[in-house]
Amino acid sequence: TQLLEQSPQFLSIQEGENLTVYCNSSSVFSSLQWYRQEPGEGPVLLVTVVTGGEVKKLKRLTFQFGDARKDSSLHITAAQPGDTGLYLCAGEVSGAGSYQLTFGKGTKLSVIP
Amino acid sequence: GAGVSQTPSNKVTEKGKYVELRCDPISGHTALYWYRQSLGQGPEFLIYFQGTGAADDSGLPNDRFFAVRPEGSVSTLKIQRTERGDSAVYLCASSLQGTYNEQFFGPGTRLTVL
Repeated sequence: TQLLEQSPQFLSIQEGENLTVYCNSSSVFSSLQWYRQEPGEGPVLLVTVVTGGEVKKLKRLTFQFGDARKDSSLHITAAQPGDTGLYLCAGEVSGAGSYQLTFGKGTKLSVIP
Repeated sequence: GAGVSQTPSNKVTEKGKYVELRCDPISGHTALYWYRQSLGQGPEFLIYFQGTGAADDSGLPNDRFFAVRPEGSVSTLKIQRTERGDSAVYLCASSLQGTYNEQFFGPGTRLTVL
């Protein structure tokens, strides 16, 4: 069983459309991060959320952490071809006593010009 | 400043051989992590160092895998008697203690075992 479920797994949209990616778990997280990964490269940190209900904005990207700190969403407004990539959510399980990150499988986004 | 660097970027080896993968973390980052990413999957945790010591090695799949960080900076992941199932991208990340565990990743080493 995957600790962090991401959906959808694949998403192909036209330039200018909006989209939302979800990250869900039954576990509570101390912090949750979103990364973007391009082929042949390591994940690049986009944002960290730590407080239940927190909303952070990064240009056209809006990140939300669920009130119970078990889920998160990433919303992209007016997607552009440069947004293409693999979006990964990762969390540090609360109280686990370890600093390892648990990753979802990722959402592969393709934005078609 | 310089990010996390990993060498080599690609490594092709034969089944049964020994390999070493190197990670140079961001200067001043006390925490260092190794992850493994298979095709179509997110990274999976292998081992975490705080300074020179392995604070959590629960993700190492078996005793063929070993990692060291003798001076608290550069780390080496060592794989003995490689198997075809070890083929994956091995990622290294580092973080600064006390920053909500924000981990910064290197570009990875793609290991192919023939």
